Amino acid sequence: NAGVMQNPRHLVRRRGQEARLRCSPMKGHSHVYWYRQLPEEGLKFMVYLQKENIIDESGMPKERFSAEFPKEGPSILRIQQVVRGDSAAYFCASSPPTSGSVDEQYFGPGTRLTVT
Amino acid sequence: SQQGEEDPQALSIQEGENATMNCSYKTSINNLQWYRQNSGRGLVHLILIRSNEREKHSGRLRVTLDTSKKSSSLLITASRAADTASYFCALNSGGSNYKLTFGKGTLLTVNP
Repeated sequence: NAGVMQNPRHLVRRRGQEARLRCSPMKGHSHVYWYRQLPEEGLKFMVYLQKENIIDESGMPKERFSAEFPKEGPSILRIQQVVRGDSAAYFCASSPPTSGSVDEQYFGPGTRLTVT
Repeated sequence: SQQGEEDPQALSIQEGENATMNCSYKTSINNLQWYRQNSGRGLVHLILIRSNEREKHSGRLRVTLDTSKKSSSLLITASRAADTASYFCALNSGGSNYKLTFGKGTLLTVNP
């Protein structure tokens, strides 16, 4: 059973370009979370999605950032018109369907975005 | 949402020694989780302790939780060079049963 897959692992963009980060959750997992890790910092929650639904985007910047998790295919985190401050590691995590609390989130290897 | 604070920021020990890391927080939690991150890699879940639990073990790991002091500790016994990594505590608190808030981590270096 493959783990959470993220691609690309490294992404370099010039200021003003768009960045698309992809995340394929573990097989059987229907919940996806995106986190951002700035240098020397802990991970910060951005958004929580289930298939075709955004459940909680309270950690997402209001502008330029969007996320989706379509019925088919990976979850996408999209950053438009990137700025230097967007340079960070972006991690995706997934968890299986549950009626109660989410005990464990399984993390992918991350995408390191560098904006030049 | 609140953030845990790990202490120390960095810890360097010799192989075979024990390593203790602490996490403090400010308000009540649902559960507290410890994760490990090797350099340039993703996070690996180590252990979860719920607010009504005081101690949990997993292999060479021992986690304690003191809700009166709002603190947790992670003990790694008989450390190995492969334990070299950053260790983060993550808090689940408030009405959300999924949102994790991570601290800045403790960088553990185990010297062979």
